[in-house]
Amino acid sequence: DIQMTQSPSSLSASVGDRVTITCRTSQSISTYLHWYQQESGKAPKLLIYAASRLQGGVPSRFSGSGSDTEFTLTISTLQPEDFATYYCQQSYSTPYTFGQGTKLEIK
Amino acid sequence: QVQLQESGPGLVKPSQTLSLTCTVSGGSISSGGYYWSWIRHHPGKGLEWIGYIYSTGSTYYNPSLKSRVTISIDKSKDQFSLQLSSVTAADTAVYYCARVALVVATRPFDYWGQGTLVTVSS
Repeated sequence: DIQMTQSPSSLSASVGDRVTITCRTSQSISTYLHWYQQESGKAPKLLIYAASRLQGGVPSRFSGSGSDTEFTLTISTLQPEDFATYYCQQSYSTPYTFGQGTKLEIK
Repeated sequence: QVQLQESGPGLVKPSQTLSLTCTVSGGSISSGGYYWSWIRHHPGKGLEWIGYIYSTGSTYYNPSLKSRVTISIDKSKDQFSLQLSSVTAADTAVYYCARVALVVATRPFDYWGQGTLVTVSS
């Protein structure tokens, strides 16, 4: 199985801040990497697919980059609704696997 | 707009079989071009992919659960189902159904159900 390592596991930030979350994989996955946002008690929502492509309807303050084994999710200007948990996921090979999540909290 | 909705018992006894159904609306499950998946989220832990089914009935399961999992499809009802046998407390989780769009080469989960909590307890 491809192991996913997300960092940090939690992050405190303020509205207006720029934040970056990193996801590293145990083997090269090209750009078969996706990012999801999960608000408390809700289903995960696709934000970024193929490492850098913005899903329809997602604000442009979200961006993704990377390839092979290292990827980042950046939120350029934090909004109140962005405080949630973020997960990366690989679809390069089955079984599909997820990162452990990064909980973004208000400072 | 595609919507997925999970349904099934919220409480299952140890050693019994967990059964859940996902109803798809806003699109036909038999149209092809999608994998229909089950994913679970253990309390306080990460997300775990369980498996998927294609409209033809072809399936692929996570090897860690393969011996206990069956995913089936009912195209007449636009539903697909999960059965997980011989459950233990470790199977307590929120269970999600989700769709993978095969037209997107990298195959993300683009639509998810709201999730349903299943507790395994006597």
